[in-house]
Amino acid sequence: GEKVEQHESTLSVREGDSAVINCTYTDTASSYFPWYKQEAGKSLHFVIDIRSNVDRKQSQRLIVLLDKKAKRFSLHITATQPEDSAIYFCAASDSGSWQLIFGSGTQLTVMP
Amino acid sequence: DAGVTQTPRHEVAEKGQTIILKCEPVSGHNDLFWYRQTKIQGLELLSYFRSKSLMEDGGAFKDRFKAEMLNSSFSTLKIQPTEPKDSAVYLCASKGTANTGQLYFGEGSKLTVL
Repeated sequence: GEKVEQHESTLSVREGDSAVINCTYTDTASSYFPWYKQEAGKSLHFVIDIRSNVDRKQSQRLIVLLDKKAKRFSLHITATQPEDSAIYFCAASDSGSWQLIFGSGTQLTVMP
Repeated sequence: DAGVTQTPRHEVAEKGQTIILKCEPVSGHNDLFWYRQTKIQGLELLSYFRSKSLMEDGGAFKDRFKAEMLNSSFSTLKIQPTEPKDSAVYLCASKGTANTGQLYFGEGSKLTVL
């Protein structure tokens, strides 16, 4: 079955810098790649997704890149702010089943 | 619109007890998922329902875990009998129909098994 590896378990950046979180997946059938954010003591909240028919998607300060050949996707947060501090989870599924397999999470800390 | 509602928020059980966790999905959503979250294992899929039909029953979780969708607006997850290793946060999520993958998560039920 699908396996999603999230490479950075922790990441610290200065406020205003960019943060990059990288994930890889194993199943070539995967075609949907969302990202979720979990703030301390709270549940998961959708932030952005990308499908395999594009290789880049942007929503305000969030950019997702997808490299299907390398089976790799990444979340870029530009101009980071303290409220970006949270655990970020990447996930993958095929668009038929919608069963998301999650990565292990990256704790992002944005330092003032 | 109400989001996903999970009850109870916290549950403490003795080993061997039966516990039932409840979930109400977002109104109109047809897909419902149960996940377990622990620090060590991360997020693990337990069950997946589409229009009340069980699509995925979680493989390794089958023997003591049973999820049911009693109607389109209510689901339960029963753990019987509980073991200390079941201590985790149980998350319910729902999804609308058609070509959208976005999941809406509830706040979770934190289970502690003594």
